[in-house]
Amino acid sequence: GEDVEQSLFLSVREGDSSVINCTYTDSSSTYLYWYKQEPGAGLQLLTYIFSNMDMKQDQRLTVLLNKKDKHLSLRIADTQTGDSAIYFCAENHSNYQLIWGAGTKLIIKP
Amino acid sequence: DAGVIQSPRHEVTEMGQEVTLRCKPISGHNSLFWYRQTMMRGLELLIYFNNNVPIDDSGMPEDRFSAKMPNASFSTLKIQPSEPRDSAVYFCASSLGQGQPQHFGDGTRLSIL
Repeated sequence: GEDVEQSLFLSVREGDSSVINCTYTDSSSTYLYWYKQEPGAGLQLLTYIFSNMDMKQDQRLTVLLNKKDKHLSLRIADTQTGDSAIYFCAENHSNYQLIWGAGTKLIIKP
Repeated sequence: DAGVIQSPRHEVTEMGQEVTLRCKPISGHNSLFWYRQTMMRGLELLIYFNNNVPIDDSGMPEDRFSAKMPNASFSTLKIQPSEPRDSAVYFCASSLGQGQPQHFGDGTRLSIL
């Protein structure tokens, strides 16, 4: 079946850039998403990219999409303590169903 | 702008009791989703409504679970009777339409003793 894979943890120093990676298998996906979940909270839509794009930038966030390798990344510039959270990658499997990664926990070291 | 609103935020109840979770989607959104999140299984889609009609309920675990959407601004997820293995965080999400980004509520943390 279709699958989305992410590393479970990423540790970075405050002020450095964080790069969270994701691989997916469904080549027919039209959108790929990044969601952020802070402790005790819901999933916040951070950004998304259409499959015919290869890059999208939004302030400190940069999304890169390599469709050939089915690889998606989220770069957070100047990582702050408020960026500590779990980051989920998701692809749309159909016009309503999303396939979710297990989430990457971003740990910020002072 | 108000986001997706869920209630209650926390629910603790004894096994065998009926549990009702509530959701108000974002105004103007015509797609609504119920998810369950656990450490073991991650995020699971339970049911999807489009224009108040259930389109896909294949993720509903068993007959103890039921969901309704009587109008465009309200949905419920009911568990009767509840069991300890139903303990999880239940999320409601809505979107403008099919294929559009989903926006999540803050969830209901359910504990069945």
